[in-house]
Amino acid sequence: NAGVTQTPKFRILKIGQSMTLQCTQDMNHNYMYWYRQDPGMGLKLIYYSVGAGITDKGEVPNGYNVSRSTTEDFPLRLELAAPSQTSVYFCASSAYGGVRNNSPLHFGNGTRLTVT
Amino acid sequence: AQKITQTQPGMFVQEKEAVTLDCTYDTSDPSYGLFWYKQPSSGEMIFLIYQGSYDQQNATEGRYSLNFQKARKSANLVISASQLGDSAMYFCAMREGQGGKLIFGQGTELSVKP
Repeated sequence: NAGVTQTPKFRILKIGQSMTLQCTQDMNHNYMYWYRQDPGMGLKLIYYSVGAGITDKGEVPNGYNVSRSTTEDFPLRLELAAPSQTSVYFCASSAYGGVRNNSPLHFGNGTRLTVT
Repeated sequence: AQKITQTQPGMFVQEKEAVTLDCTYDTSDPSYGLFWYKQPSSGEMIFLIYQGSYDQQNATEGRYSLNFQKARKSANLVISASQLGDSAMYFCAMREGQGGKLIFGQGTELSVKP
């Protein structure tokens, strides 16, 4: 049981380039999330999905796009990379999304992205 | 307005002693959940403990416990008998609204001294 798998682990992009961060989970979770973590800071939500075909913006969606064609996969697309997108990106999944539900988010190991 | 506030950027504790990491939150919703995560220097996010807003008792998980004071809107993490392996960043997070998403605080860096 691999849990949440993110690829790549590290990436350096030049300004203006594009890339896709891959995320897949094998727990059959409906809920998936993308967060970014800037140095010394907490995690900020970029996008999330409550099931295949459904996505919604989080706190910091500008410069990113997502899709959710299957339950397992939730890729994050960066278009026209900018230095401000230098960060560590975490994908996460959860079995349930109810407010009173104790189901935690299960995180991948992160992708460290540098834009220069 | 910040929804989750962790006022201690860094803390030190002696090995085998207990330590309390502070977390206050802001919500007008009567239903919410509070989570604590640990992030070691290796970077992964590890779930520690959960407290629901309607839970009557404070949550406990091994050496971790939550000091939940609903009226004060605080959910402090207590780590008993600190170990060197407890040195890490600790994040408080709140689940509110739809979609199961968590809102994170800025974290507290805990250093355990031998």
